[in-house]
Amino acid sequence: DARVTQTPRDKVTEMGQEVTMRCQPILGHNTVFWYRQTMMQGLELLAYFRNRAPLDDSGMPKDRFSAEMPDATLATLKIQPSEPRDSAVYFCASGFSGYGYTFGSGTRLTVV
Amino acid sequence: AQRVTQPEKLLSVFKGAPVELKCNYSYSGSPELFWYVQYSRQRLQLLLRHISRESIKGFTADLNKGETSFHLKKPFAQEEDSAMYYCALKVRGTGNQFYFGTGTSLTVIP
Repeated sequence: DARVTQTPRDKVTEMGQEVTMRCQPILGHNTVFWYRQTMMQGLELLAYFRNRAPLDDSGMPKDRFSAEMPDATLATLKIQPSEPRDSAVYFCASGFSGYGYTFGSGTRLTVV
Repeated sequence: AQRVTQPEKLLSVFKGAPVELKCNYSYSGSPELFWYVQYSRQRLQLLLRHISRESIKGFTADLNKGETSFHLKKPFAQEEDSAMYYCALKVRGTGNQFYFGTGTSLTVIP
């Protein structure tokens, strides 16, 4: 059963620290999404890539968030500096041709 | 602009009762709609998509273009159906982007 793997599972950090979340998409999938889930906003799209190229990152606060795909097996989402309002669960999802996506288990980020 | 609305944030039903989770969308093109489910502290999972016209775990959803709705229904709710449900719209284009509603938390009362 192919899975999208996200690390770390949980992260607690102090305000101002850099946070890096990692995602290993399912082999062969050409589209990768980053979503943020909060109680108030539900699921928000932060960024997505197709064939490793960023197609849309308009959902991300550009001054502190950055998303990259250094290779086909790794996607990263970085926050620098982190703030308490960034506390949320961050999901990565991968798929092929937009047919329906497989989500990772998420990274639960708490910024204190 | 494309948009997905799930008007109910919380929904509680008794076990065995019918359940309907509402989803309305706004999109000028030809819509493709999905339902995703998230059980407690687990990953989001694809539940069903309208083009498949399938029934998964007893759930069905019919696309009504006239009412721009894609409500999720089940005739007899079970306790294990308690979860967060997200309706999603796929927008064709450069990246086939997905837009999600804010989700409905379903609680099935035993």
